[in-house]
Amino acid sequence: ELKVEQNPLFLSMQEGKNYTIYCNYSTTSDRLYWYRQDPGKSLESLFVLLSNGAVKQEGRLMASLDTKARLSTLHITAAVHDLSATYFCAVAVTGNQFYFGTGTSLTVIP
Amino acid sequence: DTGVSQNPRHKITKRGQNVTFRCDPISEHNRLYWYRQTLGQGPEFLTYFQNEAQLEKSRLLSDRFSAERPKGSFSTLEIQRTEQGDSAMYLCASTLYGYTFGSGTRLTVV
Repeated sequence: ELKVEQNPLFLSMQEGKNYTIYCNYSTTSDRLYWYRQDPGKSLESLFVLLSNGAVKQEGRLMASLDTKARLSTLHITAAVHDLSATYFCAVAVTGNQFYFGTGTSLTVIP
Repeated sequence: DTGVSQNPRHKITKRGQNVTFRCDPISEHNRLYWYRQTLGQGPEFLTYFQNEAQLEKSRLLSDRFSAERPKGSFSTLEIQRTEQGDSAMYLCASTLYGYTFGSGTRLTVV
């Protein structure tokens, strides 16, 4: 059974600090997605990573993919309060079905 | 609005009643997915349509669940004889290449 594991599950960080969220998955896939979800809301697409070594950046967030290690990271630089949300990684397999990680709940505190 | 639309946004029902949700995908997207998300978890795949054909169903989709996509346009997800364990957010996503999620239908079974 495919497993997608994220860590940490909960993250409380101070404004201005840097941190990395990790996403490990147990099957071969060359497509990995990161989503953000605010409480009670749907999922907002952040990044699509389509090949080994892919790196994408948007504002204070940067995502990377290592398909050989089956690992993706989401790096947060100089966190601000607006980044508080739950972040999910999702691995795409055959039929475009996604397997989601359990999410990382991020709280940025002043 | 050209996004994925889901109705209703919220549904409260008594145990044992039937409920039906609707998803209107982005018009040019030929693939449509249903996911279920319980509190504190990532979304779990339920079923997938390519045009009007239902190509894959998760084992999570018990006999009480049925989904349709007549004419390859909107889709409905029906749950018969609802149980308290069915309480969740039901998310629809459509895709041509990348996923776009709807806002979801939050079901509460009392």
